[in-house]
Amino acid sequence: ETGVTQTPRHLVMGMTNKKSLKCEQHLGHNAMYWYKQSAKKPLELMFVYSLEERVENNSVPSRFSPECPNSSHLFLHLHTLQPEDSALYLCASSQLPGQNYEQYFGPGTRLTVT
Amino acid sequence: GNSVTQMEGPVTLSEEAFLTINCTYTATGYPSLFWYVQYPGEGLQLLLKATKADDKGSNKGFEATYRKETTSFHLEKGSVQVSDSAVYFCALREETSGSRLTFGEGTQLTVNP
Repeated sequence: ETGVTQTPRHLVMGMTNKKSLKCEQHLGHNAMYWYKQSAKKPLELMFVYSLEERVENNSVPSRFSPECPNSSHLFLHLHTLQPEDSALYLCASSQLPGQNYEQYFGPGTRLTVT
Repeated sequence: GNSVTQMEGPVTLSEEAFLTINCTYTATGYPSLFWYVQYPGEGLQLLLKATKADDKGSNKGFEATYRKETTSFHLEKGSVQVSDSAVYFCALREETSGSRLTFGEGTQLTVNP
């Protein structure tokens, strides 16, 4: 595997379910990001992790819970979601925030909340 | 705060037509500017970038010039191909915000044979 991978690619869940999205980067980066991409809206930065510590949380509802166990893996735990949470969730990685480095994106997980 | 405004889509062109996708920005400092492309079913890929005024970024026949006086970074290509069909995102990064990116809404481009 190369680059940034995300699983699953598609997920359908009910509002009472609990599920997790997984992201893995094979680039030796030490910063990882979660974005939400909704139709006709700009990408929304949700969380930033640097060296496995959360450095930014942009007022995301608590039904989204990130976890970064090491610099290569990032999870987004989901529980009691709402239909408006249906979107494409993109993971990205880069060298440390604060440096002038490009972000590399995964293909995304298409989430549908029913 | 920072913001990026892109030309509304969708844009539909015939093969070999000239492409322009407009992008203007608002920033408090001196941002770096980017165009990302998202092909169907894939994540975003960096297409080109410019880090200071009057710089021109170019890649795969696409070009964009950083215009500080008009706060613009319009994307152009002289002759599009069917394979250029994708969503294009303009983005900026402030000097003081590290690797944090502010994105526009994206513009869907469809090129017909």
